Amino acid sequence: SQTIHQWPATLVQPVGSPLSLECTVEGTSNPNLYWYRQAAGRGLQLLFYSVGIGQISSEVPQNLSASRPQDRQFILSSKKLLLSDSGFYLCAWSVGTATEAFFGQGTRLTVV
Amino acid sequence: QQQVKQSPQSLIVQKGGISIINCAYENTAFDYFPWYQQFPGKGPALLIAIRPDVSEKKEGRFTISFNKSAKQFSLHIMDSQPGDSATYFCAASRGSTLGRLYFGRGTQLTVWP
Repeated sequence: SQTIHQWPATLVQPVGSPLSLECTVEGTSNPNLYWYRQAAGRGLQLLFYSVGIGQISSEVPQNLSASRPQDRQFILSSKKLLLSDSGFYLCAWSVGTATEAFFGQGTRLTVV
Repeated sequence: QQQVKQSPQSLIVQKGGISIINCAYENTAFDYFPWYQQFPGKGPALLIAIRPDVSEKKEGRFTISFNKSAKQFSLHIMDSQPGDSATYFCAASRGSTLGRLYFGRGTQLTVWP
C-alpha cells in the first residue's frame, strides 16, 4: 500500500533562517506531488505541484520554493523565512489522472 | 479569491443528530467534489467524493447531495457521534488538473454526547 512520510512534525524557526521540509511517498511510481499550506481559518491553499522529476509549478507567488530531486521526493524550501510563513504545511500525492489526493500528517511551522 | 465557499464555520450537534455542511462553487469546469475530514494535528483524510453526473452519494452515515444547477453540494452526517468531531473541508477540482484541489475554509464540527 502507498504511504506518505513528511518531516519534521513540528518546527520553530527564527525569522530570516532557511527552511527545508521533506516529503517522500512509498508504494507508487511517478506520483503527482503537492505542497499545501493551511493557515488558521483559511482552509488549505495549494502552493506547488509536480508531475515529474524537476517539474515544478507554482500556484501563488511567495517566499517559498519547491524541488523534486527524485521521483518520490518533494522538498519545500525557503532561503529566508518570514513571520507570515508560519502555518501547517501538508504534502499530498495523487496518481495519473486520478483526482483523489492523499495527504501526509503535516508539519507545523512557527516562525518567531 | 475563494473558489469554494463553505458554511457554517462551526457546528455543534447533539449525539444522534444530523450534521449538515454546505459548499458552493462558481467554476463550472469543476468535475470532482471530495470531502475531507481532519483531526487536530493530522493531515486531512478523504471521506467521500462525488462527481456531477449523480445527485447523491451515500457511504454509511455520510451522504453527499449535489445540485449542479445551483452549483452547490453538501455533506450530511446521520446519527452524528462524538468521534465525528473534527474539521471538515469540501473541495473541488477539474479532471484535467490531476488532483489539484481548491478547498473551502473548513467547518469545525463538535458532537456533544
